[in-house]
Amino acid sequence: GQQLNQSPQSMFIQEGEDVSMNCTSSSIFNTWLWYKQDPGEGPVLLIALYKAGELTSNGRLTAQFGITRKDSFLNISASIPSDVGIYFCAGQLRGGSQGNLIFGKGTKLSVKP
Amino acid sequence: SAVISQKPSRDICQRGTSLTIQCQVDSQVTMMFWYRQQPGQSLTLIATANQGSEATYESGFVIDKFPISRPNLTFSTLTVSNMSPEDSSIYLCSVRLRVGNTEAFFGQGTRLTVV
Repeated sequence: GQQLNQSPQSMFIQEGEDVSMNCTSSSIFNTWLWYKQDPGEGPVLLIALYKAGELTSNGRLTAQFGITRKDSFLNISASIPSDVGIYFCAGQLRGGSQGNLIFGKGTKLSVKP
Repeated sequence: SAVISQKPSRDICQRGTSLTIQCQVDSQVTMMFWYRQQPGQSLTLIATANQGSEATYESGFVIDKFPISRPNLTFSTLTVSNMSPEDSSIYLCSVRLRVGNTEAFFGQGTRLTVV
């Protein structure tokens, strides 16, 4: 099946540092979504991207829809301890069924105070 | 967004038994989905819950194992049948608010352990 390659798999950073993670695929996507999942909780939508080249911010988070429509990245600036969690990218394929979002394997973020 | 409540939040079940998970949304939504998240893994779509008709299952998932109901626009259930330890996972209900809207919102999940 279709796959999203999300990297890095995990990150250990110092509080205050910036973070960058990305998702790539060999397929073209119509939509990119970024989620954060805390332990014991469901994923929470952070940012949604709908157009190639689109750059969208949500507080200290910024995400971009790649020009080729095959990738997306998420940046977190000036990280704080509550940024800890697992970040997932998700995409809907161009021409894909309405239901099926494909999820990356996640980036586990750890922040040292 | 929408407020999505799942029950139970967690359960420990004996193998061979079945568990029904409920998903209640605070508003009418067009699409409801059920996902599985195995320990330390990403999310995999089980099926789309269709109101008033049979759910649409993804490859690798069958109705006999994961029967789904959706009697109205705010409620759905997923049953995990004849459970085995391999069914130990987090099961997540997800909704999209409107047709054509890609953004998916999730419940808090049901953490199932089969012993």
